[in-house]
Amino acid sequence: EDKVVQSPLSLVVHEGDTVTLNCSYEVTNFRSLLWYKQEKKAPTFLFMLTSSGIEKKSGRLSSILDKKELFSILNITATQTGDSAVYLCAVENTNAGKSTFGDGTTLTVKP
Amino acid sequence: GAVVSQHPSRVICKSGTSVKIECRSLDFQATTMFWYRQFPKQSLMLMATSNEGSKATYEQGVEKDKFLINHASLTLSTLTVTSAHPEDSSFYICSAPQAGGPGTQYFGPGTRLLVL
Repeated sequence: EDKVVQSPLSLVVHEGDTVTLNCSYEVTNFRSLLWYKQEKKAPTFLFMLTSSGIEKKSGRLSSILDKKELFSILNITATQTGDSAVYLCAVENTNAGKSTFGDGTTLTVKP
Repeated sequence: GAVVSQHPSRVICKSGTSVKIECRSLDFQATTMFWYRQFPKQSLMLMATSNEGSKATYEQGVEKDKFLINHASLTLSTLTVTSAHPEDSSFYICSAPQAGGPGTQYFGPGTRLLVL
């Protein structure tokens, strides 16, 4: 059974801090690892990672995948209150493209 | 980017009634759509894979007679919660990978179901 474990489960920081969110996984047929941000509604896509060692960046957010050690990190620099959300990590299986989600990390950024 | 819509966004119903939720891919075709359920402060749990032109594939522990899925066309999948009970109250989200696309799933905005 595919499994995704995220840590920490919750995190409280102040504006300007840098945070690192972790995601480790076990999957039988790996296709990709995805990061999402979820506020009040459905998740919004952040990154898709398929290859080890290649950092993806989008503004203050970046992510990297290690397929040997089976984990990924999501970094957010210079955090803002608008970054407060649940960050979900999911692993997509080659079998019908199904995704398994972790429990998420709840990030709270205080002013 | 690709857009997936869901309707309704929120529904309140009495126990014992059936509720239909629609998921549409607005600007692309989706041979497969996924239905998730999310309880408060929990992650998304895959319920079933909806396949256009064939039967849905249900995850272990999901009752297929209770959660009826129909993938009527390449842009529409419906989830019907039959004889809903309060424990079915949840946030239901659909997603669709873009056919021929990079594998990214596009999520609908979700439907919040409250069964009284």
